[in-house]
Amino acid sequence: AQSVTQLDSHVSVSEGTPVLLRCNYSSSYSPSLFWYVQHPNKGLQLLLKYTSAATLVKGINGFEAEFKKSETSFHLTKPSAHMSDAAEYFCVVSETGSQGNLIFGKGTKLSVKP
Amino acid sequence: KAGVTQTPRYLIKTRGQQVTLSCSPISGHRSVSWYQQTPGQGLQFLFEYFSETQRNKGNFPGRFSGRQFSNSRSEMNVSTLELGDSALYLCASSLWEGGRQETQYFGPGTRLLVL
Repeated sequence: AQSVTQLDSHVSVSEGTPVLLRCNYSSSYSPSLFWYVQHPNKGLQLLLKYTSAATLVKGINGFEAEFKKSETSFHLTKPSAHMSDAAEYFCVVSETGSQGNLIFGKGTKLSVKP
Repeated sequence: KAGVTQTPRYLIKTRGQQVTLSCSPISGHRSVSWYQQTPGQGLQFLFEYFSETQRNKGNFPGRFSGRQFSNSRSEMNVSTLELGDSALYLCASSLWEGGRQETQYFGPGTRLLVL
């Protein structure tokens, strides 16, 4: 069965410092992996996705994630945090052939201090 | 292209009532999925429709139902509302090509409050 574990429920960084949001997944088959961001009272916006092409995936707003099969990880990083990055981030897994069923992690709330 | 739209954005109902939420997918997307988001349970999959057929269903009681129309617009219905149904309901649309589902794009959600 598929599952996603986001290792931190809350991460706090200072503006201009690097961001690391950790995610481990479990999947029996070849998964697709995503990171979505949700700003307060908003829907979910896709940051990036991995679908078995390059293991280093670049997304919007300077975010990127690296797929490591041996570690079953898909951590999200950004070199320099901006105040506008403060939001909740969700790591998501979807198995090939699944029909609509995305499996979400519990989310990591990112705070950015000035 | 216009994004996924959901109506209404906010809704207040009382226990025992029923509610219908609407979702219009991105033009050309034939797959529509629904999710419930609550602080306690997080984001959970409700069901997915493709070409007017429900193809997949999450672990929710039968009070939760949906349908999809020929233009791919979808509605979900919750009957006999309970306090625990208070949540943000998110709709997502995607392409389905070559037997593979493409990225799901989410609407802004409908926030339902049950009193």
